[in-house]
Amino acid sequence: DAGVTQSPTHLIKTRGQHVTLRCSPISGHKSVSWYQQVLGQGPQFIFQYYEKEERGRGNFPDRFSARQFPNYSSELNVNALLLGDSALYLCASSFRENTDTQYFGPGTRLTVL
Amino acid sequence: AQSVTQPDIHITVSEGASLELRCNYSYGATPYLFWYVQSPGQGLQLLLKYFSGDTLVQGIKGFEAEFKRSQSSFNLRKPSVHWSDAAEYFCAVVPSEYGNKLVFGAGTILRVKS
Repeated sequence: DAGVTQSPTHLIKTRGQHVTLRCSPISGHKSVSWYQQVLGQGPQFIFQYYEKEERGRGNFPDRFSARQFPNYSSELNVNALLLGDSALYLCASSFRENTDTQYFGPGTRLTVL
Repeated sequence: AQSVTQPDIHITVSEGASLELRCNYSYGATPYLFWYVQSPGQGLQLLLKYFSGDTLVQGIKGFEAEFKRSQSSFNLRKPSVHWSDAAEYFCAVVPSEYGNKLVFGAGTILRVKS
């Protein structure tokens, strides 16, 4: 079975631009979460979506938004990019909404110049 | 403040030696506990998890972890380290039975010398 997939693998943007990152969960998983991992740090929670509804939001500005589609795939959008948004963006999926094991994708490496 | 602490930023062990990576958490209730491993430039792979029951948990690749409520700890161990174990290890918790937000420690980088 395929694991969590993310696209693109790498992305280079300039300050002020907008970016869209994509995630496909493991088949049958209904929850998708997004995490930001800055170099040298542990991942930080951004969003959780379950059954197309936002179920949790981390301490990130409104420039960050996300959505989940009927097939449970998800997009993370970041507007007005800042240099500090450079990071590895990780998507994780789980079957249940609460306290369930999350399986991570390989991540999207975003570089903002 | 609620947090997950991994006191060791770097650890170096010889191949074949035993390993213990420390993790402490500061949450009132018993959280749901995880260890993940990350190779350079890669995503996170689940090693093991503790939700309830037996406090000694077995995981993949020969790893185990022990939950100690009195010490608020969930330390990861392996009796004999292989060169392929070199990676960064993250302890994580889901603090509440509601939601699925993972809170991660800062990670411990493991180096294995031959």
